Amino acid sequence: EAGVTQFPSHSVIEKGQTVTLRCDPISGHDNLYWYRRVMGKEIKFLLHFVKESKQDESGMPNNRFLAERTGGTYSTLKVQPAELEDSGVYFCASSQGPAGLAIQYFGAGTRLSVL
Amino acid sequence: GDSVTQMEGPVTLSEEAFLTINCTYTATGYPSLFWYVQYPGEGLQLLLKATKADDKGSNKGFEATYRKETTSFHLEKGSVQVSDSAVYFCALRAWSSNTGKLIFGQGTTLQVKP
Repeated sequence: EAGVTQFPSHSVIEKGQTVTLRCDPISGHDNLYWYRRVMGKEIKFLLHFVKESKQDESGMPNNRFLAERTGGTYSTLKVQPAELEDSGVYFCASSQGPAGLAIQYFGAGTRLSVL
Repeated sequence: GDSVTQMEGPVTLSEEAFLTINCTYTATGYPSLFWYVQYPGEGLQLLLKATKADDKGSNKGFEATYRKETTSFHLEKGSVQVSDSAVYFCALRAWSSNTGKLIFGQGTTLQVKP
C-alpha cells in the first residue's frame, strides 16, 4: 500500500511568486493534515480536513495560504504571494478513523525555499 | 497553551553508547505522547507512543515512559547504531482533541559514529 506522497520534494521560488504543494494521502484516509517546520524549529500544525471539509484551520499563518481538498482525496496548499518567511518544510499527514485517536502517517515533506 | 520541549541537539554518540533524549510537556488533562523519527530523505515515522500515565512505549530497542508526575516522556536506547542517526521529534495530542492535531517539540538530531 502506498504511503502519503507529496510533491514536489523541493521547490525554489522567488518572493512574490505562487507555489502549489500537493499531498496524496493513504487511500481511504478521511483525515488529512498539513504541518510546517520553519528553520529547524518545531513542526507546527496548519490545518485539518475531514474528507473535503476543513475541520480546523487555526494554524494557517495568514490569508496568503489556501488549502483545498477537492472530492476528499488529494489536497493542495497554495501560497500566493510567497514571502521569505514561508521557507521551510511542509509535511502532510493522513489518518483513518476518529481523528482524536488515530495514528497519523506522514509524507516525506516538500522543502520550500523562497528567495 | 499546550507545548513540548526537547533537549537541544545535535547529539553525537559512538556506536553502542546509551542514548537519552529528554522531552517534557505542558498540557491539561491526560494527553497522548509520541516519538516520531525522520531518517534522512524520508518522512516522519511513528517510533512509539503512550496514551496514559505510566505506560511504556517501545519499538526497535527504543523506550519511553509516560511520567505524569514529572510531565516527561524521555526517549532511551541502550545501545545505538549508526542506522539510528536521524531527527527525533517528541509530540503530544491533547486528551480533549477532536481534530487530533499534534504539537511537536523542535526535534533533536542524533548522529551516531562508528
